[in-house]
Amino acid sequence: EVQLVESGGGLVQSGGSLRLSCAASGFTFRTYWMSWVRQAPGKGLEWVANIKEDGKKIKCVDSVKGRFTISRDNAKNSLYLQMNSLRAEDTAVYYCARVGLGTGWAFDIWGQGTMVTVSS
Amino acid sequence: EIVLTQSPGTLSLSPGERATLSCRASQSVSSSYLAWYQQKPGQAPRLLIYATSSRATGIPDRFSGSGSGTDFTLTISRLEPEDFAVYYCQQYGDSPTFGPGTNVDIK
Repeated sequence: EVQLVESGGGLVQSGGSLRLSCAASGFTFRTYWMSWVRQAPGKGLEWVANIKEDGKKIKCVDSVKGRFTISRDNAKNSLYLQMNSLRAEDTAVYYCARVGLGTGWAFDIWGQGTMVTVSS
Repeated sequence: EIVLTQSPGTLSLSPGERATLSCRASQSVSSSYLAWYQQKPGQAPRLLIYATSSRATGIPDRFSGSGSGTDFTLTISRLEPEDFAVYYCQQYGDSPTFGPGTNVDIK
């Protein structure tokens, strides 16, 4: 079964750090671009960051540049999001998502999400 | 950044009725890079349609997508009870962006 399982969320104070992890299984992880997408409580979806199959190309939304870093370990079938200098507006459910092959950058597989709460 | 606008914000319909959801982009989007998702409360989004009109694996044929340029549409031909949910469109131009969503609820 193709699956993504996130972990690492929790409650953190403003200015603090968290590292999210996403464990992939059921597919050849090293052949897919991967992303993080977040959803603030009661709000819509916001793409956060992308990483190329080999980890050599990354991109992120302007609001997290210089604070968040996406990375991956293909040997461990894992995706990560290091979040520093957290702000109240970063409070959200964070989803790990796979960029589908041949789907024109659609996210075809999603994890169940992990909640990050930043207290001010 | 390409901004997506969805209308209506809420669509109140009965099971068996046809639902037509609109997604409009602030500038032209390649039809290869427009997708639709369904999200139910407490669940992750699920990919329905990619490349404007291609159904994702396992998606029933009552879901269809169309459009080009700046105007795209998701149509649900006959609403089933499990189709009441929030629907998001998404594009990939320079970076992925999502629309604000349309809530399809039971009338």
